Amino acid sequence: AQTVTQSQPEMSVQEAETVTLSCTYDTSENNYYLFWYKQPPSRQMILVIRQEAYKQQNATENRFSVNFQKAAKSFSLKISDSQLGDTAMYFCAFILIQGAQKLVFGQGTRLTINP
Amino acid sequence: SQTIHQWPATLVQPVGSPLSLECTVEGTSNPNLYWYRQAAGRGLQLLFYSVGIGQISSEVPQNLSASRPQDRQFILSSKKLLLSDSGFYLCAWKFSLPNSPLHFGNGTRLTVT
Repeated sequence: AQTVTQSQPEMSVQEAETVTLSCTYDTSENNYYLFWYKQPPSRQMILVIRQEAYKQQNATENRFSVNFQKAAKSFSLKISDSQLGDTAMYFCAFILIQGAQKLVFGQGTRLTINP
Repeated sequence: SQTIHQWPATLVQPVGSPLSLECTVEGTSNPNLYWYRQAAGRGLQLLFYSVGIGQISSEVPQNLSASRPQDRQFILSSKKLLLSDSGFYLCAWKFSLPNSPLHFGNGTRLTVT
């Protein structure tokens, strides 16, 4: 079974700083996709970024980027120039290309951006 | 464009009462549909998913059931609620392609008293 682990339950940084959220996953498969979702206090789930496992290039979306290390099964999220609106729960998620079409989520990291 | 509707937003029910949460998707056909539960603001636990009408996969044995009576309708039910059923329930949909992300509804906050 696939598992996703986020080892940092909570993090807190000052506005404008850069922060990195960790995520590791466990699978014996080679082809999959990885996602980061954000859940602000409104509790609406919002897609932040996604990465295809077959791509070596790390995905970026504006201030958000990932460090994908396939051999280490690591998928960290870097937020540059953090803003107050980045305060949220962040979830890492994983889905196989073949097999059951279900996303497996980590337990989340609660990120607080302080003014 | 596609939209997902989930209701009710908030629900308070006594122990032993039935439950019905409904989710519908507009603007697409044959979506994959999902029910997740989030307890105490933590991780998302997949409860059920469906890749087509009449196809329901259950991930966790529990007091709940799911049905998909129509292509774009997904219902979460219980005959008798338990205190442990309290939580935040999220419906989601995605295209069948693996790289398609999940799109979530606004969630239902269920409190069982």
